[in-house]
Amino acid sequence: EAGVAQSPRYKIIEKRQSVAFWCNPISGHATLYWYQQILGQGPKLLIQFQNNGVVDDSQLPKDRFSAERLKGVDSTLKIQPAKLEDSAVYLCASSLGGQTFGSYNSPLHFGNGTRLTVT
Amino acid sequence: AQRVTQPEKLLSVFKGAPVELKCNYSYSGSPELFWYVQYSRQRLQLLLRHISRESIKGFTADLNKGETSFHLKKPFAQEEDSAMYYCALRRRSGGSNYKLTFGKGTLLTVNP
Repeated sequence: EAGVAQSPRYKIIEKRQSVAFWCNPISGHATLYWYQQILGQGPKLLIQFQNNGVVDDSQLPKDRFSAERLKGVDSTLKIQPAKLEDSAVYLCASSLGGQTFGSYNSPLHFGNGTRLTVT
Repeated sequence: AQRVTQPEKLLSVFKGAPVELKCNYSYSGSPELFWYVQYSRQRLQLLLRHISRESIKGFTADLNKGETSFHLKKPFAQEEDSAMYYCALRRRSGGSNYKLTFGKGTLLTVNP
């Protein structure tokens, strides 16, 4: 099966500029996640979609970050304006829908990530 | 609030030696625990989960609720086990939705 696709792989921008990342999940996966991984730390969830609805965006800095998944398939994450501390790898992941507790049929499948450098 | 702690950032062992990567968690409910692995230049992927009680690539992990731990073990390390390992906890975040929280990771190096 094709994996989670992300683009671009790398992006370098100056602070206060805007940037957008794209993710195409595995076909049939209803749940899509965006994680931020700062160097030396584990991935931190930014936003989680179930189909085209947001189910958790509690850790998304909404003053500058936005994400959408209009048709319930691919998704974009935008940062506007970027800050130096936004330098990180942005990971997209997907899983089958219905994250029933105790169900281990839906592990997360990750993309290769986009490495963002803000100068 | 839930928390996942991996006390070792780096762990170095020799080939054939036993290896244990530590993971402790804090969570008031019943957690689901996972180990994810990232090999060099590859994407993050699931290694194993406590519910299935499986052994993957010789690795096992037992959930110890008394000690709130989920340590990853392998009796004889191989060079190809060198990678970044993340412990993760999944909990209910509301309704039928669940949230996965990762530890900071441990970089395992297996020396020849």
